[in-house]
Amino acid sequence: EIVMTQSPATLSVSPGERATLSCRASQSVSSNLAWYQLKPGQAPRLLIYGASTRATGIPARFSGSASGTEFTLTISSLQSEDFAVYYCQQYNYFITFGQGTRLEIK
Amino acid sequence: EVQLLESGGDLVQPGGSLRLSCAASGFTFSNYAMSWVRQAPGKRLEWVAGVTDDGLHTYHTDSVKGRFTISRDNSKNTLDLQMDSLRDEDTALYYCAKSPLRLCSGGRCYAFDHWGRGTLVTVRS
Repeated sequence: EIVMTQSPATLSVSPGERATLSCRASQSVSSNLAWYQLKPGQAPRLLIYGASTRATGIPARFSGSASGTEFTLTISSLQSEDFAVYYCQQYNYFITFGQGTRLEIK
Repeated sequence: EVQLLESGGDLVQPGGSLRLSCAASGFTFSNYAMSWVRQAPGKRLEWVAGVTDDGLHTYHTDSVKGRFTISRDNSKNTLDLQMDSLRDEDTALYYCAKSPLRLCSGGRCYAFDHWGRGTLVTVRS
């Protein structure tokens, strides 16, 4: 099983600032990496797939990048609606998720 | 607009059974693979089961094999998860999720482009 490890567990950032979330795969997943946003009571939302491609309707302030088995989700200029929990997912070999990063208001 | 609406979650005793359903609308259901993903309290998301667009091929994670069965009815645009021999550790919020294409090919799968809001299953004596 491919293990996905996210860091940090919690990230405190002020509105308007940049947030950088990390995800590391235990082995190569190529670019088969997605990011999701979860809020209580709402359907999870696909943000990024293919490590760096924004899903339909996702604002440009969300961006993804990759370097080997290290992946990054960057949210530039945080808006109030961006405070949520974020999960990475690899789908290169079946599907596994990271443990999540909670993005909270500083 | 794609909509996925889960139902069937409940409180059930260990060893009991439950059937979850997901009603899909806003897209041609029969063209896409579908899955169930769960999140237990304080745990990460876990892919539980998936089914191909035609319903002929399924995947079940090891911890539910022989206990859970995923199925679909393309004439009714519904996805089901039959859950038998339930255990405490099956307690979770269960999400219905849509694949943008096939389920998996040679282990290579896809991200989920749409999800429902989930239905809560609690297994407790």
